[in-house]
Order: sequence, then structure tokens, then C-alpha cells
Amino acid sequence: DTAVSQTPKYLVTQMGNDKSIKCEQNLGHDTMYWYKQDSKKFLKIMFSYNNKELIINETVPNRFSPKSPDKAHLNLHINSLELGDSAVYFCASSQDLRATNEQFFGPGTRLTVL
Amino acid sequence: RKEVEQDPGPFNVPEGATVAFNCTYSNSASQSFFWYRQDCRKEPKLLMSVYSSGNEDGRFTAQLNRASQYISLLIRDSKLSDSATYLCVVTVGGRDYGRGNEKLTFGTGTRLTIIP
Repeated sequence: DTAVSQTPKYLVTQMGNDKSIKCEQNLGHDTMYWYKQDSKKFLKIMFSYNNKELIINETVPNRFSPKSPDKAHLNLHINSLELGDSAVYFCASSQDLRATNEQFFGPGTRLTVL
Repeated sequence: RKEVEQDPGPFNVPEGATVAFNCTYSNSASQSFFWYRQDCRKEPKLLMSVYSSGNEDGRFTAQLNRASQYISLLIRDSKLSDSATYLCVVTVGGRDYGRGNEKLTFGTGTRLTIIP
């Protein structure tokens, strides 16, 4: 009964490959997010979606393409992986767009690009 | 200057002690304030929101000083289970505040270890 789930938990891949990370929330929330946490533990927003609509795109390279097939899912596809993409990627959700809402994070996907 | 600055620590504190963390933010338009907690190799979780008048939740007290753009977290009677990284988080409204353009901006966190 995990609220926000992500797969896979670990992803090790070669430079230049294309990979996807999936996220699902069963909280009935309208808004979902992708965050990147780098090796210095700095957590930074990448995208937010509300009811399948892109709201925030935080100047992320266009190799990163989020897709929201429905409001319970927000997947992240990454093309032509680079060494600098190695990080932990967290999906999160909140009830709606209001900034006062608590955000619930998934367990993270640890991506290592070799 | 970073948008949200915290002392990274680590803070090594004996069990039962009181510990305080500070955080400063650069954007005076920031509207909402939070403390999140992140255990080692886990996801962040909301610890508490921070209100203008200050607020308390059990052993935890949060304060906000808008004039100085400063947020604090006080933990009393610290427990071993309080060991974690504490993330100061602020939101800044976009051009249309309330329409979803605002985003959470995280500090790099303060690492706390409670020593038995």
C-alpha cells in the first residue's frame, strides 16, 4: 500500500543509453513532480504536472522527457544518458498545486551512468 | 548567493540535549516555509510547516523571521531516532501565485547525529 512508488530502485547503465523511470501514486493527488538529488545531496525540482498538464519545466535539458498518461502516473524518460545524469531521482505528489500542501516523495531511483 | 542556505553540519549531539538549526533564504517574496527530514538513503518527509507566529509540534519548535529572512528549528530532549538530515524548504510564487508556478526550493540540509 505504498503511497508513491517508483521503479526501478537502482539503475546502472552506460553513457549514451536511453532509460525510463516510472512513478505511480495511489493517494488520489492531482499534482506530481520529479526532483533530482545530486552527489552533494542538493534536491532540485525538474518538472511538475497537474492533472496530466505540464506546469513547471525547470530548464532541464530536453533529453529529459516526462510523460503523464493519467494523473496517477508520471514517468521520466532520459535519452542519451551522460555521466552528469548520475543522481537519485525522486518522484513526489501533492493534493493540488497549492504550495502549502505537503509533498509525498517516492523512495527514489538511484541512477548510475558509467 | 544560494536561494536557501543552511549550515551543513554535521552536528553531533548527545541524547537528551537541545539542538537548534538555522536557515536563511534570499527571496523576500517567499510565501511558505517548511522543515523536511531525510534519513540516510531515504526520501524526504515533511517534519513540519513553519508559520509566521512560530509553531510547536511536541519536541520540535519552528520559528520564522520574515524581516531577517531566517527560519529556525529547535529540537528538545533529542532522541537517537532524530538522527537525520534536516532540510529547510521555502516556496516562491511564480508570476501567478496560487496557479501552481510556485516551487519548493530546498536547502542542502543539516546533518544531525544523536550520540547515545
